[in-house]
Amino acid sequence: GQNIDQPTEMTATEGAIVQINCTYQTSGFNGLFWYQQHAGEAPTFLSYNVLDGLEEKGRFSSFLSRSKGYSYLLLKELQMKDSASYLCAAAELDSSYKLIFGSGTRLLVRP
Amino acid sequence: EPEVTQTPSHQVTQMGQEVILRCVPISNHLYFYWYRQILGQKVEFLVSFYNNEISEKSEIFDDQFSVERPDGSNFTLKIRSTKLEDSAMYFCASGNTGSSSYEQYFGPGTRLTVT
Repeated sequence: GQNIDQPTEMTATEGAIVQINCTYQTSGFNGLFWYQQHAGEAPTFLSYNVLDGLEEKGRFSSFLSRSKGYSYLLLKELQMKDSASYLCAAAELDSSYKLIFGSGTRLLVRP
Repeated sequence: EPEVTQTPSHQVTQMGQEVILRCVPISNHLYFYWYRQILGQKVEFLVSFYNNEISEKSEIFDDQFSVERPDGSNFTLKIRSTKLEDSAMYFCASGNTGSSSYEQYFGPGTRLTVT
């Protein structure tokens, strides 16, 4: 079956670091995506990992462990505008790269 | 920077009516998708399209739904006879594979309200 789990809500302070975890179970696996979604808007692509390890992109980093079915998104130097939902999504193997989404983690950044 | 565009941004229709949602994917992308998001719920896959045909569809994508790529740029989703439960945000997305990466970008969405 398919299952993507991530925490429902997190709160962090401006300037701090926050890590959003995601565990996944899919029929096959063809990569793990992270998206940012502000309320009422479209998901915005943040990262794609298909190999184990850490991918760094500015203030955002994403990590993948395929053997553990685990990923995290790391946000550094948090800004107020980072308050949003963060969506973890897995692409299935032998598919059209369709994405299976988790329910999203709502991050609130406080001053 | 290239982006996926969608029209209209908001569509209100009566139950039983047909609607067509339009999308222009990023021009050099090969994979096209429709997803939907009911208010307060997760994003759900509807259908993928590659090489001018449907490559996968979900259980949601029943006979009421169809997709077309009528020309080289547009990608449409048609709902033949809308139901109240079709009210949702509909996102078009397009993607491409690279040597070691894959990116899938979403359009701004069409908010469909069925009354």
